[in-house]
Amino acid sequence: EAGVVQSPRYKIIEKKQPVAFWCNPISGHNTLYWYRQNLGQGPELLIRYENEEAVDDSQLPKDRFSAERLKGVDSTLKIQPAELGDSAVYLCASRSQGNSPLHFGNGTRLTVT
Amino acid sequence: GQQLNQSPQSMFIQEGEDVSMNCTSSSIFNTWLWYKQDPGEGPVLLIALYKAGELTSNGRLTAQFGITRKDSFLNISASIPSDVGIYFCAGSVYGQNFVFGPGTRLSVLP
Repeated sequence: EAGVVQSPRYKIIEKKQPVAFWCNPISGHNTLYWYRQNLGQGPELLIRYENEEAVDDSQLPKDRFSAERLKGVDSTLKIQPAELGDSAVYLCASRSQGNSPLHFGNGTRLTVT
Repeated sequence: GQQLNQSPQSMFIQEGEDVSMNCTSSSIFNTWLWYKQDPGEGPVLLIALYKAGELTSNGRLTAQFGITRKDSFLNISASIPSDVGIYFCAGSVYGQNFVFGPGTRLSVLP
């Protein structure tokens, strides 16, 4: 089966510019996560979706970050405006149901200059 | 919030040696996952554990779910150069949000 697909792989933008990341989860996976990974650290949760519903967005900086999963499949994560501290790898993960494990995409490496 | 600690933070070993690393939590989990991440790639699932005391193997890798449900262990036997990478543990309560540790960076010397 195809894995989690993310695009773009790399993005370089100037601060105050907007940026968007896209994720296509594994087919049939109802739960989708966005994580942020800073250099030398483990992934940190930003938002979790169950189908099209954001069931946990408590860690999402809502003043500048937004996410959507309109049809319960693909998802986009947006930052507007970007700040220098947003430079990180943004990882998308999905899982099927119950206690099944997470499967990650290869991430989008964002550099804000 | 929940936090995971991983030990050691980094390790350098000779090819052929066995490796042990662990992950501890201040909270009880009912799922433990172990991942390996190579540079520029996303974390790849190695082993999933669902029951206290469970011991599961995947080739040269063996992981255990601690009986206190607050820790987990990963062992790699007869290390090879491609074992180089960062190993992350992750814990969850009933498959909801997974909390990740800071990682153990493994280097294998030929």
